[in-house]
Amino acid sequence: DTGVSQNPRHKITKRGQNVTFRCDPISEHNRLYWYRQTLGQGPEFLTYFQNEAQLEKSRLLSDRFSAERPKGSFSTLEIQRTEQGDSAMYLCASSRDRGSGYTFGSGTRLTVV
Amino acid sequence: KQEVTQIPAALSVPEGENLVLNCSFTDSAIYNLQWFRQDPGKGLTSLLLIQSSQREQTSGRLNASLDKSSGRSTLYIAASQPGDSATYLCAVILLNSGNTPLVFGKGTRLSVIA
Repeated sequence: DTGVSQNPRHKITKRGQNVTFRCDPISEHNRLYWYRQTLGQGPEFLTYFQNEAQLEKSRLLSDRFSAERPKGSFSTLEIQRTEQGDSAMYLCASSRDRGSGYTFGSGTRLTVV
Repeated sequence: KQEVTQIPAALSVPEGENLVLNCSFTDSAIYNLQWFRQDPGKGLTSLLLIQSSQREQTSGRLNASLDKSSGRSTLYIAASQPGDSATYLCAVILLNSGNTPLVFGKGTRLSVIA
């Protein structure tokens, strides 16, 4: 088990383009979370999956954001019509259950120019 | 709404010093608390997880304590080393949160000077 894997590590895109990030959680973890982190801030929750069901979405997740977790395995986070304000580190985490602690991936750094 | 505060925001110490990082939270009804380390431009590495029924956890030179009644946790680092330089984040899960995930503080940026 190699932990939580995120791809790509870095993404530079022009404003208005669509981007998609991928997260592969630890295989036996059925809970998967997406967070966003800007410079000098702690991570902020975006959305949560239990198996393939998306059970929670933050108000930060505007209509331009969509996340999926087909078959309850890997997850994708898509941002449509990117804006400069979307520039941030996007972090994925997984956990086995609520009390067992979270394992985070290395993140995807998005820069919108 | 749960708020997590970490003090100080930044700390610089000489190598070898023992130090304490502080974390406070407004809602004491927590499920557990987790401390993380983050190196610049990197993801989060879990350091210690404290369940609500526990008062402390230890791993090597690290010791984390939890006082739910006062809404506080401390991370103690013994004999600090330059390799300890990083941002340290604490996060809590509320007891009655359902699916509500970890709520983070903004972190303490630690520099250990050789």
